[in-house]
Amino acid sequence: DQQVKQNSPSLSVQEGRISILNCDYTNSMFDYFLWYKKYPAEGPTFLISISSIKDKNEDGRFTVFLNKSAKHLSLHIVPSQPGDSAVYFCAASDTGGGNKLTFGTGTQLKVEL
Amino acid sequence: KAGVTQTPRYLIKTRGQQVTLSCSPISGHRSVSWYQQTPGQGLQFLFEYFSETQRNKGNFPGRFSGRQFSNSRSEMNVSTLELGDSALYLCASSLLTTQDTQYFGPGTRLTVL
Repeated sequence: DQQVKQNSPSLSVQEGRISILNCDYTNSMFDYFLWYKKYPAEGPTFLISISSIKDKNEDGRFTVFLNKSAKHLSLHIVPSQPGDSAVYFCAASDTGGGNKLTFGTGTQLKVEL
Repeated sequence: KAGVTQTPRYLIKTRGQQVTLSCSPISGHRSVSWYQQTPGQGLQFLFEYFSETQRNKGNFPGRFSGRQFSNSRSEMNVSTLELGDSALYLCASSLLTTQDTQYFGPGTRLTVL
C-alpha cells in the first residue's frame, strides 16, 4: 500500500521556467512533509519542509504548497536551473511515528538549456 | 559542522554472511534513522534510535538489527545475507524526535553475491 505517491516519474522543464512536482498521500495522520533532492549513489539532500498547520512555505527558489483536504502537496522551483536536475522525493511523517519517513517513488526532473 | 558520515561506502559480501554498517550523526543530533533504497521498493524505513533506544521499526525481518551508542553513533547489522539485501543503506540524523528535518549521509552501497 503506497501511502505517498508521486505519479509523474519524470518531468522535463526549460531553464528559467517553473518546475512543479506533485505528491499525493493517503494517510490522514501525516502531519509533516518534506522534499528531498537526490543524485545517484548519494544520500538525499533536504530542500524544504512544511507542517500541516501551514499551507505554504517558501525558501528562496523553492516553495511547497499543502492542500490538506485534497491530501496533496507540490513543490515549485522558480526559476529552474540545470543544477536542479535530479530525482525529487516527497516524504511524510506523523507525530506518533517519531521520525519515521514514508517516501514517495520519486520524480526525475530534467532542466534543459 | 560536519554532516552525517557512513562507513564503509561500498561493501561486497556473499550470501549467508553478515555485515555491519556504521553511521555517525551530525554533532548534537541524538536521533538516528536507517533506510534501505532499492530500485524495486524505493526508500524504506528500517528503524530509528534515540538515546540508545529503538523508538520505531519498519517492516523488515529480524535479520536486520541495529543499535545506538552513548555518543549517538549507530550501527546496523544484517545477518544471513540474501541477494535481495543488495541496496543502498542510508542513515539520517535529526535533533528532535518528531517533526524535524532529517539529514542523510552518503549511504553504504551493499552488494550481495
